Amino acid sequence: QKEVEQNSGPLSVPEGAIASLNCTYSDRGSQSFFWYRQYSGKSPELIMFIYSNGDKEDGRFTAQLNKASQYVSLLIRDSQPSDSATYLCAVNQGGKLIFGQGTELSVKP
Amino acid sequence: DADVTQTPRNRITKTGKRIMLECSQTKGHDRMYWYRQDPGLGLRLIYYSFDVKDINKGEISDGYSVSRQAQAKFSLSLESAIPNQTALYFCATSDLGQYQETQYFGPGTRLLVL
Repeated sequence: QKEVEQNSGPLSVPEGAIASLNCTYSDRGSQSFFWYRQYSGKSPELIMFIYSNGDKEDGRFTAQLNKASQYVSLLIRDSQPSDSATYLCAVNQGGKLIFGQGTELSVKP
Repeated sequence: DADVTQTPRNRITKTGKRIMLECSQTKGHDRMYWYRQDPGLGLRLIYYSFDVKDINKGEISDGYSVSRQAQAKFSLSLESAIPNQTALYFCATSDLGQYQETQYFGPGTRLLVL
């Protein structure tokens, strides 16, 4: 079992819809969780981090964490074509980030 | 100027050659990392360093070595390059917070080993 798992996609949503990206992790001791966005050929950039159970909102983005289920998700409301990218989930383990393989999101106009 | 820079940005080399990828940062962070990215495999950690005197192997260190010359500089070497080391390589830095371990990535080096 991979330490951090994501559906590779591609996930296709129409413009204006909600995109839901999911991630599971295996280490119950993990304390902080990150979502990065990566455009094709570019470096990853941080969207959000979360460390408490529940929801954390930042503009159109909401991160959700459920430590009991070892599950973290990212919701993107009012999806735009410019949101089309690969989204990487990462989990902090002892100061290192362990990344999932990424989910490719395509937002269709 | 970019906070995390990588040189070269693109490199083509031949099997058996030794090459070095360099990373410099102006963020003043103690922690630095080297990753490689292959299609469908996400980012995999090669080596990391929490300070100048600290070097640690990551998930896929075989075939690679590193040098932390200063707080701001962290170099990755391929002693004898092989074709399956063809990948996109990223350097990253971070600073320690209570929960937040945000990593900041350089622009990447695209390496092709023939």
